[in-house]
Amino acid sequence: EDQVTQSPEALRLQEGESSSLNCSYTVSGLRGLFWYRQDPGKGPEFLFTLYSAGEEKEKERLKATLTKKESFLHITAPKPEDSATYLCAVQASGGSEKLVFGKGTKLTVNP
Amino acid sequence: GAVVSQHPSRVICKSGTSVKIECRSLDFQATTMFWYRQFPKQSLMLMATSNEGSKATYEQGVEKDKFLINHASLTLSTLTVTSAHPEDSSFYICSASGGGPEAFFGQGTRLTVV
Repeated sequence: EDQVTQSPEALRLQEGESSSLNCSYTVSGLRGLFWYRQDPGKGPEFLFTLYSAGEEKEKERLKATLTKKESFLHITAPKPEDSATYLCAVQASGGSEKLVFGKGTKLTVNP
Repeated sequence: GAVVSQHPSRVICKSGTSVKIECRSLDFQATTMFWYRQFPKQSLMLMATSNEGSKATYEQGVEKDKFLINHASLTLSTLTVTSAHPEDSSFYICSASGGGPEAFFGQGTRLTVV
């Protein structure tokens, strides 16, 4: 069974304090690993797709990396507006477009 | 980026009534749409997958007669919660895929059954 585990469950940072969120996964053949941002009461907002180990993608203060077992979302010099829940999901190869989500990491950035 | 619009954002209904939620892809054709349910502090749980013009595929444990899904066109899917009960109160979210691996999400619908 495909599984995604995110850690930590919650993370509090001071503005400017860089850190990383972890997403560990087990999947029967990875088609893609996805990162989303979700604000309270809203649907998830797409951030990145990673397809193969060693791949990296960046967007503003965020950088996502991928290995064969996990992905990291690095946040550099975060700002309060980066506060949100960050969700990781995997899509298995084999035809189904189904995403399996982790429970997310709730990030709070204090000014 | 791709835009998915979900309506309504909030709905309150009486126990025993039915509620319809719409999900529209505004700037792309959604060959596949997904419906999720999310409980507080929990992950998104996939309820069903629908492809345009065919019957939805429901996940194990999801009652197909209670959660009716219609994907009538390449831009519209609807979820109808029939004979709603308080335990159906939740946050329902749709997503749409245009054939590529990425899926884009609607804003979600907060359903409260009283």
